[in-house]
Amino acid sequence: AQKVTQAQTEISVVEKEDVTLDCVYETRDTTYYLFWYKQPPSGELVFLIRRNSFDEQNEISGRYSWNFQKSTSSFNFTITASQVVDSAVYFCALSLNYQLIWGAGTKLIIKP
Amino acid sequence: DTAVSQTPKYLVTQMGNDKSIKCEQNLGHDTMYWYKQDSKKFLKIMFSYNNKELIINETVPNRFSPKSPDKAHLNLHINSLELGDSAVYFCASSPFAGSYNEQFFGPGTRLTVL
Repeated sequence: AQKVTQAQTEISVVEKEDVTLDCVYETRDTTYYLFWYKQPPSGELVFLIRRNSFDEQNEISGRYSWNFQKSTSSFNFTITASQVVDSAVYFCALSLNYQLIWGAGTKLIIKP
Repeated sequence: DTAVSQTPKYLVTQMGNDKSIKCEQNLGHDTMYWYKQDSKKFLKIMFSYNNKELIINETVPNRFSPKSPDKAHLNLHINSLELGDSAVYFCASSPFAGSYNEQFFGPGTRLTVL
């Protein structure tokens, strides 16, 4: 079965703290892609990153970083020095057979 | 300038009515999608078209019917609206059908059925 689990329903931290959002996936396929999307309070869905199953290098983009570990089927997302503008719902997704299989999302609240 | 646009942004209607949501993308993409996001933020794929051909048709009541007049447009028509249809509906597009493509989303249409 193909599945994406985001076990953290909601996380609340104070601004400037680092925070990690967990994503665990299940698939039997050897070739697949993983994605993170952000949904701010305004409602739109914004693409953040794509990672293919053959590339286990960690990715860093400014304050955002992603840790992909095939051994644990995880694709975790860390925000360093969080800011209020990072408050959003974050979705992890697995791409298979023309469609995205979505996690339930993690609501991140950054308090000033 | 807008990449994926949807109209209307808000739709409030009575149970039993028929309504349509329109989606247009100006990215030159071949593939378009409709998603439903419920009140708990869970996203569910409904349909996908690739070059005007239906390629994904998830378990959705047949009151929902997509129509793709050309590859830049994918409309969603809903017959006999029910309370449970209240949700945010997102349209998305990707360059072509393939697992490696990120999807670009429209702003969403919030449908409220009274």
